[in-house]
Amino acid sequence: NAGVMQNPRHLVRRRGQEARLRCSPMKGHSHVYWYRQLPEEGLKFMVYLQKENIIDESGMPKERFSAEFPKEGPSILRIQQVVRGDSAAYFCASSKGAQNNEKLFFGSGTQLSVL
Amino acid sequence: QQPVQSPQAVILREGEDAVINCSSSKALYSVHWYRQKHGEAPVFLMILLKGGEQKGHEKISASFNEKKQQSSLYLTASQLSYSGTYFCGTEIPPGGYQKVTFGTGTKLQVIP
Repeated sequence: NAGVMQNPRHLVRRRGQEARLRCSPMKGHSHVYWYRQLPEEGLKFMVYLQKENIIDESGMPKERFSAEFPKEGPSILRIQQVVRGDSAAYFCASSKGAQNNEKLFFGSGTQLSVL
Repeated sequence: QQPVQSPQAVILREGEDAVINCSSSKALYSVHWYRQKHGEAPVFLMILLKGGEQKGHEKISASFNEKKQQSSLYLTASQLSYSGTYFCGTEIPPGGYQKVTFGTGTKLQVIP
């Protein structure tokens, strides 16, 4: 009974490269949320997706960042031309439904380090 | 609008009690509480939906005062396993879908 799976667990990129972070939600969950966490800080909402649709991307930078959740396969958070400020832990969470008061199940996160 | 948590950090001896507060400048629909251990995923503790509601999880309980736009998490007779960072997450009145905004966290350390 796998939980939310994220990979890779750690990702090192040089400035200017692309980073791709993957998230497979829990079985039966079709709602995915991405959060970013800087050291000693809280979880900052980035984007909320349902299968094939971006519902709310208000927390995602307009440039270089994109997210998708295709019909088949995991959700992908893509960061192009990474900069040092992108270094952070990126957490994905999933929920069964979209109603308010659904609990979120988090993955173990991807620690992105930009050299 | 990010909820504000207090205190930012607290150290307890095993068996002591603690209260963590979470307040919002906006009207709240619900409050979530999660605990995160270092290097791990946040883990769900509880959701409070109604004003005045109280819920419990082992020796951890919480209250939600809708009028004051506040929630408090109560840790009773703390154990070493309670160490971690506690986050409250808030939802403003329903906008058609769920969106949880988290506070900056309260770091709790329980020592023997």
